[in-house]
Amino acid sequence: QQPVQSPQAVILREGEDAVINCSSSKALYSVHWYRQKHGEAPVFLMILLKGGEQKGHEKISASFNEKKQQSSLYLTASQLSYSGTYFCGTGQTQGGSEKLVFGKGTKLTVNP
Amino acid sequence: DVKVTQSSRYLVKRTGEKVFLECVQDMDHENMFWYRQDPGLGLRLIYFSYDVKMKEKGDIPEGYSVSREKKERFSLILESASTNQTSMYLCASSFETSTDTQYFGPGTRLTVL
Repeated sequence: QQPVQSPQAVILREGEDAVINCSSSKALYSVHWYRQKHGEAPVFLMILLKGGEQKGHEKISASFNEKKQQSSLYLTASQLSYSGTYFCGTGQTQGGSEKLVFGKGTKLTVNP
Repeated sequence: DVKVTQSSRYLVKRTGEKVFLECVQDMDHENMFWYRQDPGLGLRLIYFSYDVKMKEKGDIPEGYSVSREKKERFSLILESASTNQTSMYLCASSFETSTDTQYFGPGTRLTVL
């Protein structure tokens, strides 16, 4: 039930672009993206809801494809501050409750 | 400003000890969560609570219990700590639904010897 993230790790030079994918075997109705910098707590980036809507701000955006049960995070013209581990979380129902199930993460390293 | 605090950043305990990890949020959030983070395994949900005195098992509840006596406080209890519970423990909270934005605490790195 854990979503699958790819790639597991990516190394970029400043200014390069990256795409991180998140796939689920279950039907998706929401996907969350978080970033965790080394030694810090995860921080919310954005949420995508059922409908294929693309969201984002500045140079980080994401898309959500219900049919493919997949979301992708796009990092454009990467900056050193983008380094960290990116997690996707998918909304899943458990009994009468909802919960987020996170992927294993993608480690992004941006070098000068 | 949103704030989730955890009682300790680092904790060292011995096998068999009872361990309490405390989490407090000041945002009047309904939902609170305990995750465990291990290298290469991501964030795995242990337990969550959607109301005072209410709790739900997450994906890896074995060996853990929780307590939520007040809305702002959520405790994770290891009844008899074992070495395989050495890990980083993260607490989080969210406003109304469990799939709202989650705000995380700084984490507690627990080592069980």
